Amino acid sequence: SQTIHQWPATLVQPVGSPLSLECTVEGTSNPNLYWYRQAAGRGLQLLFYSVGIGQISSEVPQNLSASRPQDRQFILSSKKLLLSDSGFYLCAWGNPLDTQYFGPGTRLTVL
Amino acid sequence: DAKTTQPPSMDCAEGRAANLPCNHSTISGNEYVYWYRQIHSQGPQYIIHGLKNNETNEMASLIITEDRKSSTLILPHATLRDTAVYYCIVRYISSGSARQLTFGSGTQLTVLP
Repeated sequence: SQTIHQWPATLVQPVGSPLSLECTVEGTSNPNLYWYRQAAGRGLQLLFYSVGIGQISSEVPQNLSASRPQDRQFILSSKKLLLSDSGFYLCAWGNPLDTQYFGPGTRLTVL
Repeated sequence: DAKTTQPPSMDCAEGRAANLPCNHSTISGNEYVYWYRQIHSQGPQYIIHGLKNNETNEMASLIITEDRKSSTLILPHATLRDTAVYYCIVRYISSGSARQLTFGSGTQLTVLP
């Protein structure tokens, strides 16, 4: 069966510091991969998606970036965090019919 | 993707069936009905999806009306751990492509002891 991992689970970072969140998927090949952000009490915002290694599509202009160095690895990064980057970051993988399955999430607080 | 309407909240007694309704009157013929839930502070969890036939899996049953304008998610024996926000989503499937999953406001289900 497929599993999706995210780490870290929680993170507190100062403004201006870098960020790296990692997501890995097991038990499937060539999945669609997604990064979403959920602000407190709000819906999901799609940040990036990827249909293959090295292929990244950005949905929202911002100071975040994503990379997919391996088939089942998706990384979300920032060179300098802003206060507005605080939120719940969710990685998801999609099967060939794009049913999406979410990871446990990373709660990021930028101070 | 078609718009959905769900009640903002519902209560259910533990051990009883929870029936969560969803209206999607503008659904088109190739759009599927999906259900997810999100337990507080966790990632959303896929529950079930269907096109026109009723569907059942180990978590729940999905009943879609014949005209497909509404559906009901049934949790047959609700437990306290089923307390969550339940989202009904209508979207078409485009094989091989990637698209955003858009969550509405959902229904807060509270299972009472």
